Amino acid sequence: EPEVTQTPSHQVTQMGQEVILRCVPISNHLYFYWYRQILGQKVEFLVSFYNNEISEKSEIFDDQFSVERPDGSNFTLKIRSTKLEDSAMYFCASKGNLNTEAFFGQGTRLTVV
Amino acid sequence: KNEVEQSPQNLTAQEGEFITINCSYSVGISALHWLQQHPGGGIVSLFMLSSGKKKHGRLIATINIQEKHSSLHITASHPRDSAVYICAVRALNYGGSQGNLIFGKGTKLSVKP
Repeated sequence: EPEVTQTPSHQVTQMGQEVILRCVPISNHLYFYWYRQILGQKVEFLVSFYNNEISEKSEIFDDQFSVERPDGSNFTLKIRSTKLEDSAMYFCASKGNLNTEAFFGQGTRLTVV
Repeated sequence: KNEVEQSPQNLTAQEGEFITINCSYSVGISALHWLQQHPGGGIVSLFMLSSGKKKHGRLIATINIQEKHSSLHITASHPRDSAVYICAVRALNYGGSQGNLIFGKGTKLSVKP
């Protein structure tokens, strides 16, 4: 069964450092998403990506965040200068089209110290 | 105010019991998702529905668009069903033109043997 793959599963970084979270969506999917879940809180939308550009982003997704699909398979989320409050579980998801189910990755747990 | 409300927040059941988790939402939607989040954090999509009822094994999901309400039922519950169950909606006019989701806080289900 096809699946969305995220790496690493857990990343610890120092405050102020840059991190890149990686996702390999399902190969024929066209819509890509990043969500985050701060411990004990609900999942929140960060950004959606379609046709090689951001189609929607939330207030959380400020200038410190960026996304890329550099090679047609990977979909990355970069946080330029991490803050303690960026500590969360980050989920990547992909969809074949708007009317189909989203497939989620297993998440990357980011801990900023 | 949360656009997506789930009840109960926590639910403990005995193995074999019939379980119902409720979701109410306040926005117009194009689809509603039920997701399962395992203790390790990974998210699995259970259902996506926009009308009526869907069944998969022991799981049944229903939605009433007029009442803006959905239920997830688990028949003959088992300890392996223990997880957090999350309701998420794709809102019609939430800038959700590309299908990003609004999540409920989740219902933590614990099924005792």
